[in-house]
Amino acid sequence: ELKVEQNPLFLSMQEGKNYTIYCNYSTTSDRLYWYRQDPGKSLESLFVLLSNGAVKQEGRLMASLDTKARLSTLHITAAVHDLSATYFCAVALNNDMRFGAGTRLTVKP
Amino acid sequence: EAGVAQSPRYKIIEKRQSVAFWCNPISGHATLYWYQQILGQGPKLLIQFQNNGVVDDSQLPKDRFSAERLKGVDSTLKIQPAKLEDSAVYLCASSRATGGQGNYGYTFGSGTRLTVV
Repeated sequence: ELKVEQNPLFLSMQEGKNYTIYCNYSTTSDRLYWYRQDPGKSLESLFVLLSNGAVKQEGRLMASLDTKARLSTLHITAAVHDLSATYFCAVALNNDMRFGAGTRLTVKP
Repeated sequence: EAGVAQSPRYKIIEKRQSVAFWCNPISGHATLYWYQQILGQGPKLLIQFQNNGVVDDSQLPKDRFSAERLKGVDSTLKIQPAKLEDSAVYLCASSRATGGQGNYGYTFGSGTRLTVV
């Protein structure tokens, strides 16, 4: 069974700091997604990573994928308050997309 | 393009009552998904449709949950009878291809927040 583990589950950081969220998964997959969810809102697609070594960047967020290690990272650079949200990674397997539990990020001034 | 539409946004019912949710996917998206998101958890797939056929319903509690997608477009998800543990946000998503293949991720609707009291 495909398991997806994120850590940390809760992250409080100060503005201007850098941090990395980790996503480990248990079964070989060639597609990994990162989503953002604001409180009471739906999920917004951030990145789709399709191959080993894939790296994508959007603003202060950068995502990477290591399929051999079954690991994806979401790196936050110089955090700002607007990045406060819950971030989910999701791994595709056959017809399903299995989500991690999410990382609730709070960026404080 | 218009997004995934869901209704209602909120629903409060008593246990043992029935409830139905509606989803209209993005035009042209063949694949439709229903997810259940319990507070503090990631979404869990309930059922996946490809056009109007079921691809995966292995995690759907079939004794109380049912779903259909008539004519391969709109979909409804029903719970009958509801239990307290069904309180969650029910998200509908659609994609062009099965499993979000290639560069096609999923587009999620705003969800229906169900509270069972």
